[in-house]
Amino acid sequence: DTAVSQTPKYLVTQMGNDKSIKCEQNLGHDTMYWYKQDSKKFLKIMFSYNNKELIINETVPNRFSPKSPDKAHLNLHINSLELGDSAVYFCASSQGLREIEGAFFGQGTRLTVV
Amino acid sequence: DAKTTQPTSMDCAEGRAANLPCNHSTISGNEYVYWYRQIHSQGPQYIIHGLKNNETNEMASLIITEDRKSSTLILPHATLRDTAVYYCIVRQFLKTDKLIFGTGTRLQVFP
Repeated sequence: DTAVSQTPKYLVTQMGNDKSIKCEQNLGHDTMYWYKQDSKKFLKIMFSYNNKELIINETVPNRFSPKSPDKAHLNLHINSLELGDSAVYFCASSQGLREIEGAFFGQGTRLTVV
Repeated sequence: DAKTTQPTSMDCAEGRAANLPCNHSTISGNEYVYWYRQIHSQGPQYIIHGLKNNETNEMASLIITEDRKSSTLILPHATLRDTAVYYCIVRQFLKTDKLIFGTGTRLQVFP
């Protein structure tokens, strides 16, 4: 059973389109995250949600809008896609806001904007 | 958050111990040291964490120096599947929780 699952795994789309990436965790965790890994392999946090409440928003353009319909899901919607949005996006979850134990990551969504 | 410094890359023979160093000289008293790894094309995987005592789990051991300015992750018997990028992260709980990944160490295990 996959703990943190993201769909789709690959996404190729044209500039200007709007797309969504879905994330679900079956671990019963309270906190979920979105991270972006660029072409240079740097991993940076974008958002975190705790119990459906936005906790972290790391100066991400407002074209990116996370949506958390419930604790088990955190989706990422991106409007007006740009070439620079091409990256691998990772969803993650952890037990709580100040959880000592490590976070669990999904397998990533490779987004390519052409 | 404290910064970490790791070697860019390391090699290790299969079956030998892999010792991955990390410097975190500006770490403060309430910050934990975490290690994650990322195998090619996969999401990061949590390995181990510690505050000041040495820690061991089924994956690895973590040795933290007494002054807490550096640590070493030890994979006791490296296998080819341990080839990955290993990230040392210092994490603070007083501020909003987030993991700040550096450039990591690319460990290549060879036969």
